[in-house]
Amino acid sequence: KNQVEQSPQSLIILEGKNCTLQCNYTVSPFSNLRWYKQDTGRGPVSLTIMTFSENTKSNGRYTATLDADTKQSSLHITASQLSDSASYICVVSDRGSTLGRLYFGRGTQLTVWP
Amino acid sequence: EADIYQTPRYLVIGTGKKITLECSQTMGHDKMYWYQQDPGMELHLIHYSYGVNSTEKGDLSSESTVSRIRTEHFPLTLESARPSHTSQYLCASSERAGLAGVSPNEQYFGPGTRLTVT
Repeated sequence: KNQVEQSPQSLIILEGKNCTLQCNYTVSPFSNLRWYKQDTGRGPVSLTIMTFSENTKSNGRYTATLDADTKQSSLHITASQLSDSASYICVVSDRGSTLGRLYFGRGTQLTVWP
Repeated sequence: EADIYQTPRYLVIGTGKKITLECSQTMGHDKMYWYQQDPGMELHLIHYSYGVNSTEKGDLSSESTVSRIRTEHFPLTLESARPSHTSQYLCASSERAGLAGVSPNEQYFGPGTRLTVT
């Protein structure tokens, strides 16, 4: 069964600190992996996307890593800001269908305190 | 930021009412999707469309229906709302894979509609 598991479920950090969010998946055949940021009451917004051959991708203070062998990904946030408070969702796409089905994790709820 | 819009943003309605959630995109995308999301839970695909006059049911069974008469418009309808329909509904769209400069399966999401059925 294709699944995406994220940890931790929630995380509280102080402004300026770094943090790392984890994602494990069993989706096969693998196409790509995305990290989305979803603010409360809003739709998800894509942060990074990585294909099988990529093992790291940065977008400003966000750096994602991918280990396709162990089927693990992480999202590292550097020098956190209050505006980073949101849910971070790991999404894996398979290449076994024309639809390009997306499999969503439940997200990690990050809260940044001043 | 993606040009995909949803209305209304919030809706509180009584049981038994018929409702239509609107979704429009101005990017000319072929594929459109409806997802349902409960608090703290993952998104579940309930409907999708490959293009005009094409609609399919998603992974999660839903009593809602959709239509795709125009490329840019993908409304979702509930004929008789019930409290179990209370949820957030997210619309998304994507370009055809394989086009230059387009990430495969890149989906752009609207802001969502928060539906509460009393």
